[in-house]
Amino acid sequence: DIVMTQSPDSLAVSLGERATINCKSRQSVLSNNKNYLAWFQHKRGQPPKLLIYWASTRESGVPDRFSGSGSGTDFTLTISSLQAEDVAVYYCQQYHTSPYTFGQGTKVEIK
Amino acid sequence: EVQLVESGGGLVEPGGSLRLSCAASGFAFNTYWMHWVRQAPGKGLVWVSHVNTDGSTTTYADSVRGRFTISRDNAKNTLYLQMNSLRDEDTAVYFCAREKVTTDYWGQGTPVTVSS
Repeated sequence: DIVMTQSPDSLAVSLGERATINCKSRQSVLSNNKNYLAWFQHKRGQPPKLLIYWASTRESGVPDRFSGSGSGTDFTLTISSLQAEDVAVYYCQQYHTSPYTFGQGTKVEIK
Repeated sequence: EVQLVESGGGLVEPGGSLRLSCAASGFAFNTYWMHWVRQAPGKGLVWVSHVNTDGSTTTYADSVRGRFTISRDNAKNTLYLQMNSLRDEDTAVYFCAREKVTTDYWGQGTPVTVSS
């Protein structure tokens, strides 16, 4: 299985400030010039929401303050200006190889 | 509007069985791969299984292989997860999800508690 490791496990950011979450895969998820890496936002009591796929493509309707970057084994989710509604747990997921493994999650809170 | 509605969860004793269902609407169900993902209390998301469009190809996480069976009925727009030989560690909320590139739409989940 491809192990996904996120850092940090949690972070507290002031409203309007930048939040950065890192995700590392134990093996490359790059194939055919595409990175098989997605980011999800999960709020309590709701289903997970897909934010980013192909490492950097924003899902329709996702605010542009969310951006993804990286390639191969190292990836980053950035929230450029944290809003109150962004409080959630964020997960990276690789869909390069079954099983589709998730990172352990990063809890984002308001400082 | 895409909708996925899970049902069938509940309390079951260790060694017991449950069958989860996921009713899909608002999209061409028979053209999408479908997944089950679970979240144990206080833990993260864990992928469980997926099935291709006609049900002929299935894949499972090591932790459930041989005990769980994923299937689908395209005539009923419904996804299933038959869970046998349940263990305490199978306690979780179970989500079904549609795959477009990856899991893009998810249901609200159905809780499963395995306890004596």
